[in-house]
Amino acid sequence: DAKTTQPNSMESNEEEPVHLPCNHSTISGTDYIHWYRQLPSQGPEYVIHGLTSNVNNRMASLAIAEDRKSSTLILHRATLRDAAVYYCILSPLTSGTYKYIFGTGTRLKVLA
Amino acid sequence: DAGITQSPRYKITETGRQVTLMCHQTWSHSYMFWYRQDLGHGLRLIYYSAAADITDKGEVPDGYVVSRSKTENFPLTLESATRSQTSVYFCASRIAGQNEQYFGPGTRLTVT
Repeated sequence: DAKTTQPNSMESNEEEPVHLPCNHSTISGTDYIHWYRQLPSQGPEYVIHGLTSNVNNRMASLAIAEDRKSSTLILHRATLRDAAVYYCILSPLTSGTYKYIFGTGTRLKVLA
Repeated sequence: DAGITQSPRYKITETGRQVTLMCHQTWSHSYMFWYRQDLGHGLRLIYYSAAADITDKGEVPDGYVVSRSKTENFPLTLESATRSQTSVYFCASRIAGQNEQYFGPGTRLTVT
């Protein structure tokens, strides 16, 4: 299974954009890129996912490199509520099971 | 809309005892998953189920048993608890054919 590499931690000021990077150099052609986040003392929460093209939703944007070996989760205006651990996950499109392999993620600290 | 619930939220048990963690979802999602999260680690998949009466092993299944007689319930049993099974356990569910997993609030299990 392909692995992802993320920085252990990042800081951002409130109201500023945040770019969270993820490297996945061994990604295969059928791997989707997912992002989840985990707020303190809660279960993970879906943020966004994509395959090849950049994606936008109400929470964030996902920018995928042309060679798909890296991606960036963009929070357009960080709020204190965005302080969480962000996980970048590749899911093999195998028999529809979409089994996730979580890494240790990036802990985002938002400064007021 | 209750969503996905786990019970108990906190449990302390002794080594060698049998413990069952409950997971219930109200959406009739086909897929359900059990993960454990240990300090300094991301989530690791224990077992998953594609439908009632269909279950399969994840990354770390040893010491755990699952069943799924009804679509909405996916209990996880530790047949003889060990200290190494002290962890936070998360249940999740997903609609067949979609990427997003919905996670429960977690059960913090301590084995003394």
